[in-house]
Amino acid sequence: GAVVSQHPSWVICKSGTSVKIECRSLDFQATTMFWYRQFPKQSLMLMATSNEGSKATYEQGVEKDKFLINHASLTLSTLTVTSAHPEDSSFYICSANTPGLAGLSYNEQFFGPGTRLTVL
Amino acid sequence: DAKTTQPTSMDCAEGRAANLPCNHSTISGNEYVYWYRQIHSQGPQYIIHGLKNNETNEMASLIITEDRKSSTLILPHATLRDTAVYYCIAENYQLIWGAGTKLIIKP
Repeated sequence: GAVVSQHPSWVICKSGTSVKIECRSLDFQATTMFWYRQFPKQSLMLMATSNEGSKATYEQGVEKDKFLINHASLTLSTLTVTSAHPEDSSFYICSANTPGLAGLSYNEQFFGPGTRLTVL
Repeated sequence: DAKTTQPTSMDCAEGRAANLPCNHSTISGNEYVYWYRQIHSQGPQYIIHGLKNNETNEMASLIITEDRKSSTLILPHATLRDTAVYYCIAENYQLIWGAGTKLIIKP
């Protein structure tokens, strides 16, 4: 399968600071990237869907001004957690896809390894 | 909410086939069944998907009942590295994650 990377793999920051997480598709061009959040012992929750060159679509309950998503190229999407607070501490995971490419369906997503954010 | 139900956990001996069931009794006619797994502290990994025919790839086989209300993921020769949470998802345009099945492969 295709390779998706995330950077950093873990980050610790102080409350009130902003943190940027990068998601890169290394060997294919992804028209669509997804951002998920996973709290300990819980399932993944979709935060937003972004299409290259367009504004992200956020899921209900996810603050778009707090979680800034940029998908400026077909290989890079970034998630910035602004003014992070301890309740934002979580495992953030991105996935990438190009529906229709080589027969890929929308739900055949390639996931990054995740970024563990701890806000003190 | 997820439209699938799976057992909370299962054990399987190393080298044996692991059979993971999933119920999706309200699945729509055009919705596929997807299987992913997540090894601890890693991102999920796509395994397989199907509509109504059985499917097989290098990782697993997917058996879907004729009425499509349930399916079984089969890992033919489980190894310790197959220990993970396995998610069954019956959607077409988003991945809605239930609790999954925690599969533990024992030596």
